[in-house]
Amino acid sequence: GENVEQHPSTLSVQEGDSAVIKCTYSDSASNYFPWYKQELGKRPQLIIDIRSNVGEKKDQRIAVTLNKTAKHFSLHITETQPEDSAVYFCAASRRAGGGGTSYGKLTFGQGTILTVHP
Amino acid sequence: DTAVSQTPKYLVTQMGNDKSIKCEQNLGHDTMYWYKQDSKKFLKIMFSYNNKELIINETVPNRFSPKSPDKAHLNLHINSLELGDSAVYFCASSLAGVSYEQYFGPGTRLTVT
Repeated sequence: GENVEQHPSTLSVQEGDSAVIKCTYSDSASNYFPWYKQELGKRPQLIIDIRSNVGEKKDQRIAVTLNKTAKHFSLHITETQPEDSAVYFCAASRRAGGGGTSYGKLTFGQGTILTVHP
Repeated sequence: DTAVSQTPKYLVTQMGNDKSIKCEQNLGHDTMYWYKQDSKKFLKIMFSYNNKELIINETVPNRFSPKSPDKAHLNLHINSLELGDSAVYFCASSLAGVSYEQYFGPGTRLTVT
């Protein structure tokens, strides 16, 4: 099955710096790579995702890059703010069924605790 | 309006008891999930249902039995609770399978003493 490795497990930066979190996956058939943010005591929420037909995607201060050949993808947060402090999870999944519904499962990385110091 | 809701939010019980967690989504999604988040924050899929049908059962002990009476509801019943079942359980839903954004419920913190 799919295995997703995420690094680093903790990341501490100063406000305004950039933060980069990296993930590798094992299943070359994986084709969907979301990133979730989980604030303390809250539910995980999607912040950005990328599909295998795209190499990079940006949304304001957040960007994700995907290298299918090397089977790794990264989250980049620029101009970090204290409210970016949270646990970030990468994940990977593959389509495992026909038609419009993919019946695979989402495999999460171990999570990265990001702390942004004011 | 809450998109994905779970009850109860907290559950404290003793070993050997049976408990249930309920989940409802009002997003019109076809697919629903149960995840377990352990003390190290690791999120692991337990079950997924598509339109009331079980799609994934991720080698979860038989003591865990999901039930989906309709596509808006997915409940989780746990028999003979063990200490190792202590975790936060998240329900989630997505439009049509795993390649779409998953919307998580607020979580149920289960503590088994």
